[in-house]
Amino acid sequence: NAGVTQTPKFRVLKTGQSMTLLCAQDMNHEYMYWYRQDPGMGLRLIHYSVGEGTTAKGEVPDGYNVSRLKKQNFLLGLESAAPSQTSVYFCASSYPQGENQPQHFGDGTRLSIL
Amino acid sequence: EDQVTQSPEALRLQEGESSSLNCSYTVSGLRGLFWYRQDPGKGPEFLFTLYSAGEEKEKERLKATLTKKESFLHITAPKPEDSATYLCAVRRSGTYKYIFGTGTRLKVLA
Repeated sequence: NAGVTQTPKFRVLKTGQSMTLLCAQDMNHEYMYWYRQDPGMGLRLIHYSVGEGTTAKGEVPDGYNVSRLKKQNFLLGLESAAPSQTSVYFCASSYPQGENQPQHFGDGTRLSIL
Repeated sequence: EDQVTQSPEALRLQEGESSSLNCSYTVSGLRGLFWYRQDPGKGPEFLFTLYSAGEEKEKERLKATLTKKESFLHITAPKPEDSATYLCAVRRSGTYKYIFGTGTRLKVLA
């Protein structure tokens, strides 16, 4: 049981390049989330999904797009990377039943934009 | 506006020196307060969920408590392996979103 798996673990991009971060979960969770974590700012929600085929904007969605074509996968895309998007990106998932379910996190993707 | 504030930002303890971490929150309709542990280079790992004021949860050397305005994570006789960043998050009723604090970096010295 792998839980939440993120790929790649590290990536360096040049300004203007594009890339996709992949998140896969094997816990049959309905809800999935993408966060970024920056020093001194905590975890900030980028986009989230409450089920297959659905997505919604979080706190800091600009410059990012997402897709949830399959229940177990949640993709985060950067169309034209900017240095301000240098960060550590975490994916999380949770059950929908009840509002007090915790989130389960992957180990992150460390992204540097030069 | 929903808000979570954690204090202190950083804490250094000697092995065996008990202390508490604080998480103050402002949220209408709390549906859960969550504590996580995060080790360097890793994602947050779930520790506890607290639902209502007066509730307490324990796990090994950790004990979490909840009031209407704040939560405490008490660490009793800590060991070096308890060194990590501890994150607090809340979820408001009727939303899918979790609001995180910036964490407390704990260092336990042998």
